[in-house]
Amino acid sequence: EPEVTQTPSHQVTQMGQEVILRCVPISNHLYFYWYRQILGQKVEFLVSFYNNEISEKSEIFDDQFSVERPDGSNFTLKIRSTKLEDSAMYFCASRISSGELFFGEGSRLTVL
Amino acid sequence: AQSVTQLGSHVSVSEGALVLLRCNYSSSVPPYLFWYVQYPNQGLQLLLKYTTGATLVKGINGFEAEFKKSETSFHLTKPSAHMSDAAEYFCAVSEVGRGSQGNLIFGKGTKLSVKP
Repeated sequence: EPEVTQTPSHQVTQMGQEVILRCVPISNHLYFYWYRQILGQKVEFLVSFYNNEISEKSEIFDDQFSVERPDGSNFTLKIRSTKLEDSAMYFCASRISSGELFFGEGSRLTVL
Repeated sequence: AQSVTQLGSHVSVSEGALVLLRCNYSSSVPPYLFWYVQYPNQGLQLLLKYTTGATLVKGINGFEAEFKKSETSFHLTKPSAHMSDAAEYFCAVSEVGRGSQGNLIFGKGTKLSVKP
């Protein structure tokens, strides 16, 4: 069964460092998303991406965040200068035009 | 603005007992409603969804939920809990027809424990 895959599963980084989280959405999906879940809190929408551009973003998605679809398969989330409060589980998701969201297993980011 | 409230961050039931996880939403337009389950160290898996039509929705693993517009609720139930149901459950809402790209707004989640 097709699935969304994310790498790495866990990354530990120092505050101020750049981090790139990678996602391979399901191949025929058109809409891509990043969500995050800070430990013990709700899953929060970060950004959606369609037709090679950001279609919506939340207040959380500030200038330190960026997304890219560098090729036909990968969808990346970059955090330029990580802060302690960026420690969270980051979920990638994708969908066809009007279907359900399929989520990856998440990438846990720990900022020290 | 949309929001989702899940009553009870932690629910514990005995194996074989009824499972009831509560979800209330607010939305200015007819919502799409979802329940996702997250098993330990795994991603979010869709249990069931309500879009239009029948208000009682059946999902995987014997779960079902009923959309009650008058109560703005979408509670999740299962008649008989199984040990394998132990997980965290998230209710989510999505607005349609307002230019949204189908973004989901999640509740805080309810952790279900099942006692033998």
